[in-house]
Amino acid sequence: DQQVKQNSPSLSVQEGRISILNCDYTNSMFDYFLWYKKYPAEGPTFLISISSIKDKNEDGRFTVFLNKSAKHLSLHIVPSQPGDSAVYFCAASEGNAGNMLTFGGGTRLMVKP
Amino acid sequence: DADVTQTPRNRITKTGKRIMLECSQTKGHDRMYWYRQDPGLGLRLIYYSFDVKDINKGEISDGYSVSRQAQAKFSLSLESAIPNQTALYFCATSETSRYGYTFGSGTRLTVV
Repeated sequence: DQQVKQNSPSLSVQEGRISILNCDYTNSMFDYFLWYKKYPAEGPTFLISISSIKDKNEDGRFTVFLNKSAKHLSLHIVPSQPGDSAVYFCAASEGNAGNMLTFGGGTRLMVKP
Repeated sequence: DADVTQTPRNRITKTGKRIMLECSQTKGHDRMYWYRQDPGLGLRLIYYSFDVKDINKGEISDGYSVSRQAQAKFSLSLESAIPNQTALYFCATSETSRYGYTFGSGTRLTVV
């Protein structure tokens, strides 16, 4: 059973608009969450992270929100740009379990010019 | 040079053959990982190593083995390749996951 789920396999948005990518998790022991971006023919690259003691973390156009009671996090990209078109993976780790990352299935974002 | 280098980038092999995928890193990190990516299933952990003398099975280790030859090198072997091992394989390294992983560019393996 997947502990980290991204229920939307794909998302299409218009350039300049907001992109919202969602992620749900089941393990209440997860205490650190990360988003990775992956372009074709490349490995995933770290994008942004958030600790469970926070509910929001911003880095430029990217903001991650964490709702612990709902076991849900989301990544907001504002404004979306064509270069943001990629696959986005949500990941989570548990400090007491060696900080291993568990990944979601990914969401393919397409930003149309 | 890339921080994490995987070879080969692409490989087609026949069912039953033994194949090795290699990974080297220049980050100086102790931790190294092997993942496979399948559509819709994300990245699943095959094996990981926290230092040269440490090897651990991940979520899907059956049919795979690894060797940690040095701090910088971590290779993955498929003992007898089968078609459902066709996937994209990624090697990664990290200090701890709090700082994220650095991934290689991947090896696309096709077993026919």
